[in-house]
Amino acid sequence: ETGVTQSPTHLIKTRGQQVTLRCSSQSGHNTVSWYQQALGQGPQFIFQYYREEENGRGNFPPRFSGLQFPNYSSELNVNALELDDSALYLCASSLRGQVSDTQYFGPGTRLTVL
Amino acid sequence: DQQVKQNSPSLSVQEGRISILNCDYTNSMFDYFLWYKKYPAEGPTFLISISSIKDKNEDGRFTVFLNKSAKHLSLHIVPSQPGDSAVYFCAAREVSGGSNYKLTFGKGTLLTVNP
Repeated sequence: ETGVTQSPTHLIKTRGQQVTLRCSSQSGHNTVSWYQQALGQGPQFIFQYYREEENGRGNFPPRFSGLQFPNYSSELNVNALELDDSALYLCASSLRGQVSDTQYFGPGTRLTVL
Repeated sequence: DQQVKQNSPSLSVQEGRISILNCDYTNSMFDYFLWYKKYPAEGPTFLISISSIKDKNEDGRFTVFLNKSAKHLSLHIVPSQPGDSAVYFCAAREVSGGSNYKLTFGKGTLLTVNP
């Protein structure tokens, strides 16, 4: 069984640029959630994708957008990067329909905005 | 407004003793609570969960207790091992909009188990 994978591992961008982060969900999972973890904080929910549609969003501006593909993999896109976007971005996959719907996390992408 | 709070940023225990990590929440709509462990440079690893309709769930050395009236849960690790040293996150699930299972996390507690 393949776990959740994310790419790239690290990324350095400058303010105003755009970035795309990628996530492959765990085998058999159909739902992907994205979280932002700033230094010293817990992960914060960005949004969730199910059946290729956004299925809930946290308190993040529209310049954070995403996609889910038919194979359940997902992308997170951030436009007009700001310094405060520097964080660890975590992807989690789960199987909708299970009672607990436990989310399993990937290793994350460390984004640094200069 | 923090809906999930872990008031102890760090905890240090001796190997073989019990580790108790605490978590408080404010949102009555949370229906599931989870504990994740995180090592540096890795993503959070799921440890154990509990439904809001139960008050205890046990899995090996890990036990989670839920006191719904106090809006408090705790994770007990017995016996503690040096490999348990990590940041532990308490997370709570809320079903939003009828189908979105969103997790709200606390800030984490750094557990250090000394040999």
